[in-house]
Amino acid sequence: DQQVKQNSPSLSVQEGRISILNCDYTNSMFDYFLWYKKYPAEGPTFLISISSIKDKNEDGRFTVFLNKSAKHLSLHIVPSQPGDSAVYFCAASAFRDDKIIFGKGTRLHILP
Amino acid sequence: NAGVTQTPKFQVLKTGQSMTLQCAQDMNHEYMSWYRQDPGMGLRLIHYSVGAGITDQGEVPNGYNVSRSTTEDFPLRLLSAAPSQTSVYFCASSYSAGGFTDTQYFGPGTRLTVL
Repeated sequence: DQQVKQNSPSLSVQEGRISILNCDYTNSMFDYFLWYKKYPAEGPTFLISISSIKDKNEDGRFTVFLNKSAKHLSLHIVPSQPGDSAVYFCAASAFRDDKIIFGKGTRLHILP
Repeated sequence: NAGVTQTPKFQVLKTGQSMTLQCAQDMNHEYMSWYRQDPGMGLRLIHYSVGAGITDQGEVPNGYNVSRSTTEDFPLRLLSAAPSQTSVYFCASSYSAGGFTDTQYFGPGTRLTVL
């Protein structure tokens, strides 16, 4: 049973436009959420996170929104740049639980 | 700091062979974990450790053993390799885990093929 779902395997966005990557979760105990970015032949790298006490967290071009009632979060990238082409993983964890669970990832293509 | 290092980078095994994937970190992190990445499956947690001497199972632990005798090292053992274990394996570490989780730092991965 998938606890963290990224239902879009891939997404193509024009350079300069907004990229929106979505993530849904089923475990209501999750209270901390992270986004990781992965280039081919490299390990994932941390991008941005949000705790359940917030509904928005911003870091430069990256903003994560959390809707707890819908068990949904999204990552917005504005403006999208060629270097943003990568696989993006959503991850979640619960307080007092040491497991960090990842989704299947979304491959983002930034088109010139 | 070298961060998280993994060896080997590539490995080919025959069915039934055993091997150990090495993972080391020099950041004095308490939490370490192993993931496998398969096409269409994302990153799945195999085993994790919250400190030296403490390990626990993740989502897909069958066929793998781990131990944590030091803070720095967290090897992953395949006792009898099977083709279903063909995957890319990532080791990760963070200062702590659970709750307001610290950022995990990932190694570059080991690409394993089992024939």
